[in-house]
Amino acid sequence: DTEVTQTPKHLVMGMTNKKSLKCEQHMGHRAMYWYKQKAKKPPELMFVYSYEKLSINESVPSRFSPECPNSSLLNLHLHALQPEDSALYLCASSQDRPKEEGYTFGSGTRLTVV
Amino acid sequence: RKEVEQDPGPFNVPEGATVAFNCTYSNSASQSFFWYRQDCRKEPKLLMSVYSSGNEDGRFTAQLNRASQYISLLIRDSKLSDSATYLCVVNMGPVMDTGRRALTFGSGTRLQVQP
Repeated sequence: DTEVTQTPKHLVMGMTNKKSLKCEQHMGHRAMYWYKQKAKKPPELMFVYSYEKLSINESVPSRFSPECPNSSLLNLHLHALQPEDSALYLCASSQDRPKEEGYTFGSGTRLTVV
Repeated sequence: RKEVEQDPGPFNVPEGATVAFNCTYSNSASQSFFWYRQDCRKEPKLLMSVYSSGNEDGRFTAQLNRASQYISLLIRDSKLSDSATYLCVVNMGPVMDTGRRALTFGSGTRLQVQP
């Protein structure tokens, strides 16, 4: 079992829908991440929250809107997505130490936009 | 040039074989290096960190050559369960508020161990 929990595991949504992806961790990690992974490609960074503040936005379109309600939760709000946004969306968390110790990933949400 | 470069494979090897994967990275200031394993349609999982002195974990050995900006992973006595994609990961991403860099993933090397 992963220590980072993502819901839902699968999501099919229309281009006019609004949906949210959720991520939760209880490891006391202070950095949380959203990555997007297309088939046969590596994960690509979207957003980073550090101490509940948005630290990095990798020029992600505004139809993706992240939110960090508290140190354990990370949401990704979706609106007016395109079919090319279909992908595996991975949440990860990590400690905040000078020496990076690697990320723990959730099992992901497989999103299909129709 | 890709920031983190790996041979995509696939590497098809028989059970019991020794196989080595290589990875090069472009930012000489990088400080953190990892190998992740990703099974088909699953999330990446941390396999091991890579230290300057080299490190071993059972059948897996990781090495780092900072001068050549090169990382390797050696798997001895391959098992069928080792079949997966192996991702080389380096802290080369954008800088966070804390001063650390986010992790950047290589495109992965696919390993298929055959009976």
